[in-house]
Amino acid sequence: DGGITQSPKYLFRKEGQNVTLSCEQNLNHDAMYWYRQDPGQGLRLIYYSQIVNDFQKGDIAEGYSVSREKKESFPLTVTSAQKNPTAFYLCATTPGASVYEQYFGPGTRLTVT
Amino acid sequence: QKEVEQDPGPLSVPEGAIVSLNCTYSNSAFQYFMWYRQYSRKGPELLMYTYSSGNKEDGRFTAQVDKSSKYISLFIRDSQPSDSATYLCAMIDTGNQFYFGTGTSLTVIP
Repeated sequence: DGGITQSPKYLFRKEGQNVTLSCEQNLNHDAMYWYRQDPGQGLRLIYYSQIVNDFQKGDIAEGYSVSREKKESFPLTVTSAQKNPTAFYLCATTPGASVYEQYFGPGTRLTVT
Repeated sequence: QKEVEQDPGPLSVPEGAIVSLNCTYSNSAFQYFMWYRQYSRKGPELLMYTYSSGNKEDGRFTAQVDKSSKYISLFIRDSQPSDSATYLCAMIDTGNQFYFGTGTSLTVIP
């Protein structure tokens, strides 16, 4: 919440379709992250970006892609290659100086049938 | 073995009780220790962070870190129904990578 917006809150897609989740921030934070949250598994890092035009894979990047063309925006595409895409997706940011302060957006619940 | 272990609960307590939430970890390189609160279908919010062993208090919340035992705790005094949420512990290693626990679901019954 706060200065991070994720849209939409709920998203439904058919299997085989790519879908893009939006994450926008007005906190002027350099670092942005995408996590996936599943029951009983905690948060798992998909991708992260420390600066514009640069991003790194996290622990579960397969089947996902990202871009970071603007500091404010870090969209996540869930491709048809992702085997179990149904999950709660969280975007987060971190200010450069305070590494422990990770701010989360409200999340997008993606359901693929 | 996971880097961070957290009992998922669920934990159910009466209003006014003292709540103790715990995490253990295996990586001695962890340097920051955080607690997040997550309400249902919302993003987590940072409650407290600590850098070293010892206690840190903020209102009804106390965070405790014991690096020698690789054990962290969050205590909630005078628990309220509004404290009902999932509590996630998190840690950062020397490379600034985050590690999260699976979360403990807490319900405070009026």
